[in-house]
Amino acid sequence: DGGITQSPKYLFRKEGQNVTLSCEQNLNHDAMYWYRQDPGQGLRLIYYSQIVNDFQKGDIAEGYSVSREKKESFPLTVTSAQKNPTAFYLCAIQATNYGYTFGSGTRLTVV
Amino acid sequence: GQNIDQPTEMTATEGAIVQINCTYQTSGFNGLFWYQQHAGEAPTFLSYNVLDGLEEKGRFSSFLSRSKGYSYLLLKELQMKDSASYLCAVRPLTTDSWGKLQFGAGTQVVVTP
Repeated sequence: DGGITQSPKYLFRKEGQNVTLSCEQNLNHDAMYWYRQDPGQGLRLIYYSQIVNDFQKGDIAEGYSVSREKKESFPLTVTSAQKNPTAFYLCAIQATNYGYTFGSGTRLTVV
Repeated sequence: GQNIDQPTEMTATEGAIVQINCTYQTSGFNGLFWYQQHAGEAPTFLSYNVLDGLEEKGRFSSFLSRSKGYSYLLLKELQMKDSASYLCAVRPLTTDSWGKLQFGAGTQVVVTP
């Protein structure tokens, strides 16, 4: 089954803890993106990668880190430096010339 | 950068028509997208406009005027399942931002019986 897979669906983080969100795709696409969604706000770009071993900061990269060691995988780490991490996180690929295909998302909550 | 505005919420009756407006200000433009997002789910692609005019796809149509920085999404023959958030997104035209989209906050459409 082809597509883009995010895991876990729900994630709980304790104060001061780092957590990693997984994003995997088997569609052989180069460009991958991480967005954050908060209630009443649009999706905001955290990081993006256009090719393996390269990635760029988006508009709200502080407190986050990524890696792109394989074309299929683009994990996002939410570090303890991110003071307000509770949000819905969406991974996307540039599926066609026309737009994104999104993963199903990870809802992160600080406990 | 981009500034993308769309109404927060709209309510309409089943079977009716609703038009969701989106205005944008951008330093460069390379296409406008509409996505549908049901609560707790990921956005799904609805339409794409890069040239002026109307694109029709079944019950959904999208219009673009580049000179006015304006688009709308028209939903016809509303069904209860159309209750969702509709996101307007612009792709800027800059050398370092190929593929990146800037999103509006979304318009929550509530369809009532």
